[in-house]
Amino acid sequence: DTEVTQTPKHLVMGMTNKKSLKCEQHMGHRAMYWYKQKAKKPPELMFVYSYEKLSINESVPSRFSPECPNSSLLNLHLHALQPEDSALYLCASSPHEGIANEKLFFGSGTQLSVL
Amino acid sequence: AQTVTQSQPEMSVQEAETVTLSCTYDTSESDYYLFWYKQPPSRQMILVIRQEAYKQQNATENRFSVNFQKAAKSFSLKISDSQLGDAAMYFCAYSGTASKLTFGTGTRLQVTL
Repeated sequence: DTEVTQTPKHLVMGMTNKKSLKCEQHMGHRAMYWYKQKAKKPPELMFVYSYEKLSINESVPSRFSPECPNSSLLNLHLHALQPEDSALYLCASSPHEGIANEKLFFGSGTQLSVL
Repeated sequence: AQTVTQSQPEMSVQEAETVTLSCTYDTSESDYYLFWYKQPPSRQMILVIRQEAYKQQNATENRFSVNFQKAAKSFSLKISDSQLGDAAMYFCAYSGTASKLTFGTGTRLQVTL
């Protein structure tokens, strides 16, 4: 199994809603990542988890709350989002956090629309 | 800070022909890696090819090869025998001492019959 599975594929939420994005991998990878990609832009790193501990937070607003319950699962909890947070949210994993991100596997993303 | 520049927003190639996508980067680090990722309409980012900066030999993966010019900080991707399935957005990316990928703005490749 060389897949990173993200659910849901699409999500529409209001600014007062609370929702969660889910990412799962069963490749034994110990590093997991959240990227945000606005339309027609490159992905931008949000968070990195290494061995289930938060390793990097790229100054992401607190309305985004990541969680890594175990080495296979990564969640992104959303609360009080703004319309400008509408984007494609990509999850990725790699064997270890390291200099090369040598084999970064991406999921197909969750397309989020905030109304 | 490292930057990655892709100066070609769109490129077009005929099926079976060869196309080269350009990428330049700026860094003060001596040890780093460069990547080309492909993002088709399915939205999944797929690694196409990877180059270690310390290796002088250009990386190749089947129909994909790179021209890595370290002194010029240039990293272009050549796609030979283009296929319809190669149509996608292509991102050049850099990874140095930090555990993150810095992407360029992307080049949309169209493949025509």
